[in-house]
Amino acid sequence: ETVLTQSPGTLSLSPGERATLFCRASQSVSSSYLAWYQQTPGQAPRLLIYGTSSRANGIPDRFSGSGTGTDFTLTISRLEPEDFAVYYCQQYGSFRLSFGGGTKVEIK
Amino acid sequence: EVQLVESGGGLVQPGGSLRLSCAASGFAFDSYAMDWVRQAPGKGLEWVSFISSSSATIYYADSVKGRFTISRDNAKNSLYLQMNSLGDEDTAVYYCARDYRKHLDHWGQGTLVTVSS
Repeated sequence: ETVLTQSPGTLSLSPGERATLFCRASQSVSSSYLAWYQQTPGQAPRLLIYGTSSRANGIPDRFSGSGTGTDFTLTISRLEPEDFAVYYCQQYGSFRLSFGGGTKVEIK
Repeated sequence: EVQLVESGGGLVQPGGSLRLSCAASGFAFDSYAMDWVRQAPGKGLEWVSFISSSSATIYYADSVKGRFTISRDNAKNSLYLQMNSLGDEDTAVYYCARDYRKHLDHWGQGTLVTVSS
């Protein structure tokens, strides 16, 4: 089973700053099967990025994803007030999906 | 517009059973695989189960295997999760989600399942 470890656990930043979130897999993940989600309090998760770097419908271009093998990154180029949320990475392998533990991006 | 609406959650005693439903609309339900994902209070996301568009392929997380059963009725545009032998660890919000090439592109708002005596 592939375990995803996200870091940092919490990121304290100001609006306008750049956010870099990391997701490390315990074994190699196909780049086709790495996704990122955003969740705000009381809401369902929302797909941001799929296939490592493809933005989902309606996702602004300040969100970008990259990576390969075991190391993946979600970057938010300039934080908007609505971007303060929890972010999860997700992978598929060995007939199951798995999620990372999440990174909370909070207002500094 | 894609819509997924879960129902069937509630309070159940340990050892009890519950059946969740997910009503889908706004897309060709019979062309998409579907998943259940849960989130315990204050915790992260945990994948629960997957079912292919034709029900031919089904996967479960180890934590629910043998206790939960996923199914779907394409004629009714509905997804189900039968949960048996529920324990405290199953307390969570349960989301249904549309699966597109192993990522979840649309989610319902969730239904809360509370296991408590």
